Amino acid sequence: SQTIHQWPATLVQPVGSPLSLECTVEGTSNPNLYWYRQAAGRGLQLLFYSVGIGQISSEVPQNLSASRPQDRQFILSSKKLLLSDSGFYLCAWSRTTRGNYYGYTFGSGTRLTVV
Amino acid sequence: RKEVEQDPGPFNVPEGATVAFNCTYSNSASQSFFWYRQDCRKEPKLLMSVYSSGNEDGRFTAQLNRASQYISLLIRDSKLSDSATYLCVVSQTGANNLFFGTGTRLTVIP
Repeated sequence: SQTIHQWPATLVQPVGSPLSLECTVEGTSNPNLYWYRQAAGRGLQLLFYSVGIGQISSEVPQNLSASRPQDRQFILSSKKLLLSDSGFYLCAWSRTTRGNYYGYTFGSGTRLTVV
Repeated sequence: RKEVEQDPGPFNVPEGATVAFNCTYSNSASQSFFWYRQDCRKEPKLLMSVYSSGNEDGRFTAQLNRASQYISLLIRDSKLSDSATYLCVVSQTGANNLFFGTGTRLTVIP
């Protein structure tokens, strides 16, 4: 069966510090991968998605970036965090074929607080 | 206009009650529809897909009305454990992502 791992679960970082969040998927190959952010009391905002190694699409201009160095690894990064980067970050995967038909599976999320 | 709109609630209902949530979507080309459940400070989890003919999973019934671009979720015999936020989710042909509503919060009261 497929599993998705995301870490760390909680992170408190000062403004201006770098960020690296990692997500890995097991039990499937060539998944579509996604990074979402959920601000307090808000809906899910798609940040990045990837349909393959090295292929990243950005949905929202910001000081975040994403990379996919391996088939089942997706990394979210920032060089300098802003207060507005605080939120609940969620990684998700879906099947490559008809992924939207089956929905997404989310990792357990990282709660980031920028202070 | 938002892709998906939901009444944010909160809905506070007694145990055993029947409760219904509604959701509208803006793009008539939308192809797949889902309800997700999100517990407080947790990730969203797929509750059920929504099929054109409507579908049922135990106490949960989902309906789709393509003409009105409207999706519903009915929960019968509410349990305390049903307390959560319910997210309406829609996809579109050719789009590489799903569009999530902001969720409807349900609290089932003893």
